[in-house]
Amino acid sequence: DTGVSQDPRHKITKRGQNVTFRCDPISEHNRLYWYRQTLGQGPEFLTYFQNEAQLEKSRLLSDRFSAERPKGSFSTLEIQRTEQGDSAMYLCASSLRALGSPSSYEQYFGPGTRLTVT
Amino acid sequence: AQTVTQSQPEMSVQEAETVTLSCTYDTSESDYYLFWYKQPPSRQMILVIRQEAYKQQNATENRFSVNFQKAAKSFSLKISDSQLGDAAMYFCAYLSGGSQGNLIFGKGTKLSVKP
Repeated sequence: DTGVSQDPRHKITKRGQNVTFRCDPISEHNRLYWYRQTLGQGPEFLTYFQNEAQLEKSRLLSDRFSAERPKGSFSTLEIQRTEQGDSAMYLCASSLRALGSPSSYEQYFGPGTRLTVT
Repeated sequence: AQTVTQSQPEMSVQEAETVTLSCTYDTSESDYYLFWYKQPPSRQMILVIRQEAYKQQNATENRFSVNFQKAAKSFSLKISDSQLGDAAMYFCAYLSGGSQGNLIFGKGTKLSVKP
């Protein structure tokens, strides 16, 4: 079990450019979540997947944001036409949701991708 | 909507002493889970402890324990025998038992440990 991994760890981009982040969850975890964390704040939920299906999206996820999990394994988060307000840490988490198991509500986080938009 | 409040932006503790971090939450639900996460500087979020709302017994994990007061909607974290490695941001988080999965986090408490 290698844990949740994210790539890249840091990304600097110019306003207006598109960026894509990747998340590899803990193997066999069926749920994958994306959060955004700005300086001095707790993480805020963006979206989540169960297997390959995107089941919930936050209002924070504007039309410029899109996420995929094509084969139910890794996921990508793309931001189009980046704005300075998109600068944040983007966190990925995964969990293995199983009926009747309280521990299945635990989410395990990756190291995050820090995005800086100049 | 559910909210989580951590009223202590910063706390400090002497090594080997005990410290308690506060968290309150607001919900009308009866089925939910509460968590404490630790985020060391420039490192990833680590799950510290979980509490199910239906359990009266407070959760304990080694030096970490919680004081869960359901009626008061309070969920504090006690760290005993504090170690230098405990220095980090600590986040309290709420998860609806009926939800599909989004954690609701507080703003965090920065804990410093003095040698």
